[in-house]
Amino acid sequence: GENVEQHPSTLSVQEGDSAVIKCTYSDSASNYFPWYKQELGKRPQLIIDIRSNVGEKKDQRIAVTLNKTAKHFSLHITETQPEDSAVYFCASDRTDAGNMLTFGGGTRLMVKP
Amino acid sequence: NAGVTQTPKFQVLKTGQSMTLQCAQDMNHEYMSWYRQDPGMGLRLIHYSVGAGITDQGEVPNGYNVSRSTTEDFPLRLLSAAPSQTSVYFCASSSLAGGDYEQYFGPGTRLTVT
Repeated sequence: GENVEQHPSTLSVQEGDSAVIKCTYSDSASNYFPWYKQELGKRPQLIIDIRSNVGEKKDQRIAVTLNKTAKHFSLHITETQPEDSAVYFCASDRTDAGNMLTFGGGTRLMVKP
Repeated sequence: NAGVTQTPKFQVLKTGQSMTLQCAQDMNHEYMSWYRQDPGMGLRLIHYSVGAGITDQGEVPNGYNVSRSTTEDFPLRLLSAAPSQTSVYFCASSSLAGGDYEQYFGPGTRLTVT
């Protein structure tokens, strides 16, 4: 089955700096790659996603890049703010419905004011 | 819309007890899934359903049963609880309508098995 590796497990940045989180996946049939933000005690919330026919997607301060050949994708957060502090999860899915996600192990991002 | 709802929010079971975690969605989504999240880890897929009457196993199905008699409801049954099933359980739903892949998660059920 699919295996998703996520790095780093913890990341500490100064407010205003950029943060980058990287994931690799094993199943070449995976075609959907979402990123979730999870605050303590809360449900995961989708922040951005990308499909395999796109190499990059941006939404304000957040961007995701995908390299299908190398089977890795990355989350980029620019101009970080203290409210960006949370655990971030990458995931992948090979179905057409996005309902069979395989998650990475998570990255705890701490943004210091 | 209430979105995805789960009950109960918290539950403590003794080893060997059985129980059902409830999940309901009011968005008319055809796809529903159950995940578990152990401390400090990502979510893992337990079971999923692509429509009423259709269910299948995910990555970690052992010890759990599901059924999908209606589009709205997708209960998860623990047959004989074990301490290894202590976890937070999230239900999710999604739909292909409009090309939206997003999975909407419920608030979670925190289960402790002693």
